[in-house]
Amino acid sequence: DAGVTQSPTHLIKTRGQQVTLRCSPKSGHDTVSWYQQALGQGPQFIFQYYEEEERQRGNFPDRFSGHQFPNYSSELNVNALLLGDSALYLCASTPRGYTEAFFGQGTRLTVV
Amino acid sequence: GEDVEQSLFLSVREGDSSVINCTYTDSSSTYLYWYKQEPGAGLQLLTYIFSNMDMKQDQRLTVLLNKKDKHLSLRIADTQTGDSAIYFCAESSEISGGSYIPTFGRGTSLIVHP
Repeated sequence: DAGVTQSPTHLIKTRGQQVTLRCSPKSGHDTVSWYQQALGQGPQFIFQYYEEEERQRGNFPDRFSGHQFPNYSSELNVNALLLGDSALYLCASTPRGYTEAFFGQGTRLTVV
Repeated sequence: GEDVEQSLFLSVREGDSSVINCTYTDSSSTYLYWYKQEPGAGLQLLTYIFSNMDMKQDQRLTVLLNKKDKHLSLRIADTQTGDSAIYFCAESSEISGGSYIPTFGRGTSLIVHP
């Protein structure tokens, strides 16, 4: 059983560009959350998707948007990239009725 | 201030016990978690405890919860060099719709030396 998989692993973008990150949850997991982890910090919650709807959102600007597909996979989109968006972006999936979040390896985004 | 606080560093000798401490502010926290992150990797769930429990043991790991003081600790017995990593404490409470969103601390970097 594959765990949570994220793509790409690493990405370099230029300030002002747009980026899309992808996540496939563990089999049987229907809830996907996205986190941003800056260097030396803990993960910060961006948003959570369930049944293809954004269920909860953290304190992130509208430049951060997402989507969940019928197969529960998810995308994170960031528009108008800033240097401060450079971070490790983590996707976590949770099975229905449970609280434990299982994380992927993350996508390292560098904005130059 | 931060919702979840941890000391940043802990250094122990191989074979000793490690104790990583965490305090949190949300009195409605329902679940408390410990995650491990190795360099360049995502977070691995080590264990979690429900707020009505005082202790949970899982092989070399012991979690202690003092709900009155909002204090959580993780004890690793017989610490090995492979335990060197960053350990994150997290808490969550139920948000509308039955979802739980963990809030993380900044992490404690555990260094195990021979």
